Amino acid sequence: EDKVVQSPLSLVVHEGDTVTLNCSYEVTNFRSLLWYKQEKKAPTFLFMLTSSGIEKKSGRLSSILDKKELFSILNITATQTGDSAIYLCAVGSGGSNYKLTFGKGTLLTVNP
Amino acid sequence: DAGVIQSPRHEVTEMGQEVTLRCKPISGHNSLFWYRQTMMRGLELLIYFNNNVPIDDSGMPEDRFSAKMPNASFSTLKIQPSEPRDSAVYFCASSFQGANQPQHFGDGTRLSIL
Repeated sequence: EDKVVQSPLSLVVHEGDTVTLNCSYEVTNFRSLLWYKQEKKAPTFLFMLTSSGIEKKSGRLSSILDKKELFSILNITATQTGDSAIYLCAVGSGGSNYKLTFGKGTLLTVNP
Repeated sequence: DAGVIQSPRHEVTEMGQEVTLRCKPISGHNSLFWYRQTMMRGLELLIYFNNNVPIDDSGMPEDRFSAKMPNASFSTLKIQPSEPRDSAVYFCASSFQGANQPQHFGDGTRLSIL
């Protein structure tokens, strides 16, 4: 059975801090790893990673994948209160029947 | 651009009643996914469709749950009869078929079974 484990489960920081969120996985037929941000409603797509060692960056957020060690990290620098959310890691597996397996998420709280 | 549209946004009903959740995927997307989210279990895939055909329903908890996709722009998830343990947020997501295509989520239906 495919498994995705995120850590920590929750994290409280002050504005301006840098945070690192972790995601490890065990899946058969790995195709991609995705990060989502979930505030009050729908998860919104952040990044998709398919290759090891290539950093994806969007503003203060960045992510990298290690396919040998089977993990990914999501970094957020200079955190703001608007970064408070649940961050979900998902791993895509399968061929024609591609589907995502989600971790339980990391709840990030950024205090002013 | 219209995203994935789900209805209703909230549903409160008594146990034993039939519940129908609705989803309109993003136009042009040919894969559709139904998820359930709870505090205990996180986001779980219930069933997904490619080109309106159910591909994998192994996540459907039991026979009380059923899903249909009669055409490319509409899907339903039905629970009959409903039970209190079905209370959760149900999300629908859609994507282009195939690997390495991100899924886009609707705002979900918050279901409470009393």
